[in-house]
Amino acid sequence: GDSVTQMEGPVTLSEEAFLTINCTYTATGYPSLFWYVQYPGEGLQLLLKATKADDKGSNKGFEATYRKETTSFHLEKGSVQVSDSAVYFCALPTGFQKLVFGTGTRLLVSP
Amino acid sequence: DTGVSQDPRHKITKRGQNVTFRCDPISEHNRLYWYRQTLGQGPEFLTYFQNEAQLEKSRLLSDRFSAERPKGSFSTLEIQRTEQGDSAMYLCASSFAGDNSPLHFGNGTRLTVT
Repeated sequence: GDSVTQMEGPVTLSEEAFLTINCTYTATGYPSLFWYVQYPGEGLQLLLKATKADDKGSNKGFEATYRKETTSFHLEKGSVQVSDSAVYFCALPTGFQKLVFGTGTRLLVSP
Repeated sequence: DTGVSQDPRHKITKRGQNVTFRCDPISEHNRLYWYRQTLGQGPEFLTYFQNEAQLEKSRLLSDRFSAERPKGSFSTLEIQRTEQGDSAMYLCASSFAGDNSPLHFGNGTRLTVT
């Protein structure tokens, strides 16, 4: 079935470092792809999305490009801040917007 | 738009007791979802509604779980005869219908079964 695989965390960075969180997917067809973020004690928030191959989603300095040839949707940010510390989830819909999530990658940014 | 709200935020119960959680979705959204999230894992789909109709249930949803959305607005999730394995964060989300419409999540109800 459809699935998402994320790199294991935690990812520990210093402020202003470059961030990459890897996400690969297995799916029939070409679904939309999403990144959600979960801050401590809160629910998930949509961070960005891409709806077709070669689309680039972006928000709050984060970017991810839908790569059909490598079935990937890696999350990147050029300069992380302490406030970016959170858990990041890659996800894809499997019919009726039912989302399948990766296991999440915890990002810890130190000043 | 006040977002998706869930009540209570935390619930501690003894094994064998029944618990009920409530979710109020964003008012214009016709789809409502329940997910379960355990520590260190991503959310897992439990069930979803389109308006008042429950259209899909996961195999994770045992007979002890029941969800309703009686008027197509708020929803309740009841767990009967709770077990320690039910301890988790229960997340509610809502959306418009349509493959590219994102889900909007509430802050969840954290259930602890002792």
